[in-house]
Amino acid sequence: DAKTTQPPSMDCAEGRAANLPCNHSTISGNEYVYWYRQIHSQGPQYIIHGLKNNETNEMASLIITEDRKSSTLILPHATLRDTAVYYCIVRVRSSGSARQLTFGSGTQLTVLP
Amino acid sequence: NAGVTQTPKFRILKIGQSMTLQCTQDMNHNYMYWYRQDPGMGLKLIYYSVGAGITDKGEVPNGYNVSRSTTEDFPLRLELAAPSQTSVYFCASSYSGENTEAFFGQGTRLTVV
Repeated sequence: DAKTTQPPSMDCAEGRAANLPCNHSTISGNEYVYWYRQIHSQGPQYIIHGLKNNETNEMASLIITEDRKSSTLILPHATLRDTAVYYCIVRVRSSGSARQLTFGSGTQLTVLP
Repeated sequence: NAGVTQTPKFRILKIGQSMTLQCTQDMNHNYMYWYRQDPGMGLKLIYYSVGAGITDKGEVPNGYNVSRSTTEDFPLRLELAAPSQTSVYFCASSYSGENTEAFFGQGTRLTVV
């Protein structure tokens, strides 16, 4: 699976959009980009994933560049409860074999009041 | 709507003792995973299973054993506890290994003294 690079920490004002970047320059054509977050001491929580098109769900939007070498997770209106470590993961779409999620160090997002 | 349930939540072991961390899921997921997370670090895969009766090693399997006799349960066994196994352990499950989100339990915090 491709390696990802994320900034170790970011701050965001409450109510503003939080834009979390991720570089995955070695991503290959069959690898998806996944985002998970981990609120302190809890289990990781799935947020969103995509292949090459931009994706949106009730939690966030995922913008993937045309060359797929980087992506941005957008939390449109950050709240204090969004303070967490955010993990960007690239993962091969498997065909019958288990492909584990490989977690890096992630980005600590702190939403400030 | 239980999802992935882990027991116990906390445990203190003495060096050389053994214990089993329990994990059960009620979503009829085929794939299950055990991760450990050391302080300030990302998650590392210990073992995973693609279905009842099938298990395989992850990144850090030494010192652990698993079994998968039913779809619902995936216990993790520590035979001879060591201080290096002090960590938070997360169990997860997913419908398949492909393109699906993983659901995580709330974790077991283990201290070996």
